[in-house]
Amino acid sequence: QVQLVQSGAEVKKPGASVKVSCKASGYTFTSYDINWVRQATGQGLEWMGWMNPNSGNTGYAQKFQGRVTMTRNTSISTAYMELSSLRSEDTAVYYCARGSLWLQRYTLFDYWGQGTLVTVSS
Amino acid sequence: DIQMTQSPSSLSASVGDRVTITCRASQSISSYLNWYQQKPGKAPKLLIYAASSLQSGVPSRFSGSGSGTDFTLTISSLQPEDFATYYCQQSYSTLLFTFGPGTKVDIK
Repeated sequence: QVQLVQSGAEVKKPGASVKVSCKASGYTFTSYDINWVRQATGQGLEWMGWMNPNSGNTGYAQKFQGRVTMTRNTSISTAYMELSSLRSEDTAVYYCARGSLWLQRYTLFDYWGQGTLVTVSS
Repeated sequence: DIQMTQSPSSLSASVGDRVTITCRASQSISSYLNWYQQKPGKAPKLLIYAASSLQSGVPSRFSGSGSGTDFTLTISSLQPEDFATYYCQQSYSTLLFTFGPGTKVDIK
């Protein structure tokens, strides 16, 4: 069965960086994009960007340009999201989600990781 | 950027009620609209994609409709496990997969 398993909770100081991992299993890792979505406590969902694990190509939301880097290690079917220059407003649960393409046109997020809480506090 | 709005922001309903949630896009997005359900402390779950296609395993009481700028998610007969927050998401712009602000459905 398809699973995305994320790394554990992190506590970081303002200005630091955090790197969250997302290990995929149950499907061919390089055949589906990985997206990253975050959610601050009590708030809605915010899409951060996508990565094509086959090519390594990425696309980031403008809000995170320059601060986010999405990478992968295909040998262990794992995607990574690194966010730098952390501030208190980055405190949130970060999710990875598999992006599937239906009819070669419609993108949908059909499997999600369990989420990783990142707390930014001095 | 395409903005997504949802109404209502919250609603109270009883088991067995028919519930309708509306999502509106700031520009036409054709049928590039997904719906997700999220329960507290859990990851979102895909319910509907391409505006009206039911994700595998999702009960048939969930349905989606609409195209262009106006969309609806309908739960035909609300069940206890359906109390959750529902989000729409546009996939028309692959530069920014915007989510709506969410609609919380709780028990009356």
